[in-house]
Amino acid sequence: QVTLRESGPALVKPTQTLTLTCTFSGFSLSTSGMCVSWIRQPPGKALEWLARIDWDDDKYYSTSLKTRLTISKDTSKNQVVLTMTNMDPVDTATYYCARIPPDYDPQPDYWGQGTLVTVSS
Amino acid sequence: QSALTQPRSVSGSPGQSVTISCTGTSSDVGGYNYVSWYQQHPGKAPKLMIYDVSKRPSGVPDRFSGSKSGNTASLTISGLQAEDEADYYCCSYAGSYTYWVFGTGTKVTVL
Repeated sequence: QVTLRESGPALVKPTQTLTLTCTFSGFSLSTSGMCVSWIRQPPGKALEWLARIDWDDDKYYSTSLKTRLTISKDTSKNQVVLTMTNMDPVDTATYYCARIPPDYDPQPDYWGQGTLVTVSS
Repeated sequence: QSALTQPRSVSGSPGQSVTISCTGTSSDVGGYNYVSWYQQHPGKAPKLMIYDVSKRPSGVPDRFSGSKSGNTASLTISGLQAEDEADYYCCSYAGSYTYWVFGTGTKVTVL
């Protein structure tokens, strides 16, 4: 059974750095072709893709957020970590991680339930 | 990159069919056969219903079907059931520069 779960702070202050962890089970990020992405959804707005990391450690970032994002993985812990620097109230959103298996690449199949992050002083 | 355009809401009675449109551009929907659809119930994780425009993952009822014409993709739910009431989002690959573009979301109501 594939599951993903996002974790991190519910509240961050403007200018702080956000660190989110995606802990998954039911698959391995060392499997050839496997990838994990981060997506977010501001309240009442559309989903927005943020970043992706591949089994071979290739990394891809949203062009508009590239300078603020870092994605990394710990294969032994089945975790993917996303950091976003210089947080702003417009970054308030539900943050999701999702799996992209080789059969469905580039489309994600399983998603986590998301974690709401509020940026406020 | 703008979000893909979906109707805000659609509704139908049990047993009827509803169709949700997802309009993009030649840089996303029209340019690739990588359109996917997700169902999301309140407080739950999005669930993949359609991928590669018209393919269904195992376990998804064949009441759900997808298609594409030009820059517009569509999701059709036939034989509408109460449990189909949820939000639905489309997603399209948009090239290695933009990667993914998502739809604005459609709320399906079963009357």
